[in-house]
Amino acid sequence: SQQGEEDPQALSIQEGENATMNCSYKTSINNLQWYRQNSGRGLVHLILIRSNEREKHSGRLRVTLDTSKKSSSLLITASRAADTASYFCAGAGNMLTFGGGTRLMVKP
Amino acid sequence: DTEVTQTPKHLVMGMTNKKSLKCEQHMGHRAMYWYKQKAKKPPELMFVYSYEKLSINESVPSRFSPECPNSSLLNLHLHALQPEDSALYLCASSQDTPLNTQYFGPGTRLTVL
Repeated sequence: SQQGEEDPQALSIQEGENATMNCSYKTSINNLQWYRQNSGRGLVHLILIRSNEREKHSGRLRVTLDTSKKSSSLLITASRAADTASYFCAGAGNMLTFGGGTRLMVKP
Repeated sequence: DTEVTQTPKHLVMGMTNKKSLKCEQHMGHRAMYWYKQKAKKPPELMFVYSYEKLSINESVPSRFSPECPNSSLLNLHLHALQPEDSALYLCASSQDTPLNTQYFGPGTRLTVL
């Protein structure tokens, strides 16, 4: 079963712009993780934010978590064409459950 | 070595065939997973093995049969599949629980004719 929804489902931006993706989840979580998937390939872990954290940074990535609203956001700054991929949030409760994903296209 | 390998990369099988998907990791992880992913959809958890024991089975039909021969290997045996079972099958591993970061293999693209 799907953890929640991601918004937007698809996003198209120009290289150099920032990309923001939002995720809502349904159940209690221990942590929330973001993954990236290039077309038809395996998922790559990007960042993990614990339920007692509100914000986390990793390179050009910034993740926020609002447990009261059961929501998270992923910001990619100064996007590059190589960032084109699908991005999934995943809530870690007793198992990892993925949101619907956002398909990001970064145009050169 | 942070790699999870999966074989084969592609598999085409008839509904009466028996085949197996294989997954291997050498990171010393004690939890391994099978996911099914349809096009433009998120991965859906099928099975979780923890310390070589099946700990979660997400109501998967019996035509899918997982096996964990040792802590590095995970198999998924397929028998009498249906065309709707065509999907990308992903294997993943994590240190010891689903709460940890999961490392995914590249997947096996399965087509059932």
